[in-house]
Amino acid sequence: RKEVEQDPGPFNVPEGATVAFNCTYSNSASQSFFWYRQDCRKEPKLLMSVYSSGNEDGRFTAQLNRASQYISLLIRDSKLSDSATYLCVVNPLSNDYKLSFGAGTTVTVRA
Amino acid sequence: DVKVTQSSRYLVKRTGEKVFLECVQDMDHENMFWYRQDPGLGLRLIYFSYDVKMKEKGDIPEGYSVSREKKERFSLILESASTNQTSMYLCASSLSGRGIYGYTFGSGTRLTVV
Repeated sequence: RKEVEQDPGPFNVPEGATVAFNCTYSNSASQSFFWYRQDCRKEPKLLMSVYSSGNEDGRFTAQLNRASQYISLLIRDSKLSDSATYLCVVNPLSNDYKLSFGAGTTVTVRA
Repeated sequence: DVKVTQSSRYLVKRTGEKVFLECVQDMDHENMFWYRQDPGLGLRLIYFSYDVKMKEKGDIPEGYSVSREKKERFSLILESASTNQTSMYLCASSLSGRGIYGYTFGSGTRLTVV
């Protein structure tokens, strides 16, 4: 089983819509969680960390569900510029330096 | 802002050549990483280093080696390039802290081996 699994999508949504997607992780001891954004042929960039209580950054809301071992990302009022691949990232072992990356969920926002 | 700089954006090499990919970060980060990214496979860790002269194998180290002689520089070496090493190579760095900090990535090197 992969450490981090994501629905690859694509999610095609109109401008202004709300889009949400999840990722699941396999190691219940995981401590750190992130969402990264990657534009086509560019490097991944940190979008937001995910905290236990859930957190919001403008139109983006991240939630963590430890019991079911998933994190979610919700984008409100989608903009054309939100079109990207969103990578779910987890630190599976609290005593390790490495992060595990999901393969990404592609979101396309259309005019 | 942390800056992670990779020496080349695009590179074309011949099969059998020795290839050096350089990565430099300017924020005194302890940890540095080399990944490759291929369509449908996501990011796969090749090697990482958590200190000068320290290195550890990632998930796919075969055919690669690394060097970290200075804290700010982490080099990836393809000993004898092969066509299956055609890929996007991404360098990343992070503060120490065992994964609690996210990574900052360089802009990537798209390597083609012919």
